[in-house]
Amino acid sequence: AQTVTQSQPEMSVQEAETVTLSCTYDTSESDYYLFWYKQPPSRQMILVIRQEAYKQQNATENRFSVNFQKAAKSFSLKISDSQLGDAAMYFCAYRSGGRNTGKLIFGQGTTLQVKP
Amino acid sequence: DTGVSQDPRHKITKRGQNVTFRCDPISEHNRLYWYRQTLGQGPEFLTYFQNEAQLEKSRLLSDRFSAERPKGSFSTLEIQRTEQGDSAMYLCASGPIYEQYFGPGTRLTVT
Repeated sequence: AQTVTQSQPEMSVQEAETVTLSCTYDTSESDYYLFWYKQPPSRQMILVIRQEAYKQQNATENRFSVNFQKAAKSFSLKISDSQLGDAAMYFCAYRSGGRNTGKLIFGQGTTLQVKP
Repeated sequence: DTGVSQDPRHKITKRGQNVTFRCDPISEHNRLYWYRQTLGQGPEFLTYFQNEAQLEKSRLLSDRFSAERPKGSFSTLEIQRTEQGDSAMYLCASGPIYEQYFGPGTRLTVT
């Protein structure tokens, strides 16, 4: 069975600085997708970024980028130029690559605090 | 662009009562998912529909839980004979094949 582990329950960053959130996963599959979701306090989950396992190039979305290390089964999220609005719980998630599945497997989450 | 909507947003019920939640997905999405999230934890998968067909169910979905998506549009999740352990946020998501977009959730409190 696949598992996702986020080993940092809490992180903090100074506004305008850069922070990296860690995620590791375990799978025997070669075809899969990885995601980072953001969940602000009392607000809904927002998709931040997606990475296909078959792509070597790391995904980037504006200030958000990932470091995908397939051999190490590591998938970290880097947030550049942190803003107060980035404060939230961040979840790493895994999806098998099959067409007939849809289940996301989530990590435990990392709470990010942004200090002004 | 209308996102995923869920109704009600909050539900307080007494143990033993039945509750039903509704999810309206983004209109062009044929895939719909239900998850359960307890405080401070990541969401846990419950079930998944492609159009009206329920294709995957978690073992978390006990026989007290049932989900439907009768016409491939909105979906309902029913919990019968609620227990205190059912207290959680119930999240619905929809999406194309490889992405999921979440609704605001229904927070269930069983007293």
